[in-house]
Amino acid sequence: SYELTQPPSVSVSPGQTVSLACSGDKLGDKYVCWYQQKPGQPPMLVMYQDSKRPSGIPERFSGSNSGNTATLTISGTQPMDEADYYCQAWDSDSFYVFGPGTKVTVL
Amino acid sequence: QLQLQESGPGLVKTSETLSLSCNVSGGAITTDNHFWAWIRQPPGKGLEWIGSIYYSGSADHNPSLKSRLTISIDPPKNQFSLRLDSVTAADTAIYYCATYLGSWGLSQWGRGTLVTVSS
Repeated sequence: SYELTQPPSVSVSPGQTVSLACSGDKLGDKYVCWYQQKPGQPPMLVMYQDSKRPSGIPERFSGSNSGNTATLTISGTQPMDEADYYCQAWDSDSFYVFGPGTKVTVL
Repeated sequence: QLQLQESGPGLVKTSETLSLSCNVSGGAITTDNHFWAWIRQPPGKGLEWIGSIYYSGSADHNPSLKSRLTISIDPPKNQFSLRLDSVTAADTAIYYCATYLGSWGLSQWGRGTLVTVSS
């Protein structure tokens, strides 16, 4: 079955830029979505089709996907961005899989 | 805007069947291109795709759950449902229902419901 990998955790200072990686075999051939989840809340979509932001998602969130790695970048990170972030691969030929998640800590 | 709400028992006994429903409001479950999904999250762990269904009844299932899983849809009630047979403690999780438009991502989620499996 298809698997995605993400680093368990990353730390960033307020105002700095952080890049979250999501890796999988030929991931660049698939569409990737990203979700933000804060404690006690359902996940929230922050990026779809690799690099498109849903309405209401700040411009400081951006995404890319190429080769075997998709990346979610948060520029000018704010304390409110502290959360778990999950990538998800979409492929019409297979079921949809989530990465294990990355915990972002804003120090 | 679409709203989703999960309902069902919070406690299920080992080896029995877990049944949940998701009520959809703010739009018709038969809307073209909308798919309806179930996702779960064991306490303190990551997300797991369970499966999804279209209003036509066409469904997909996580292969690891397929033998125990039934996902159905009831357009007159604007609901879709999950049935998971022969549950064990490993099925203890927060169960979410959500909706997506193809590769546009899971755009709306229910608040989730915790289901505990215990003897």
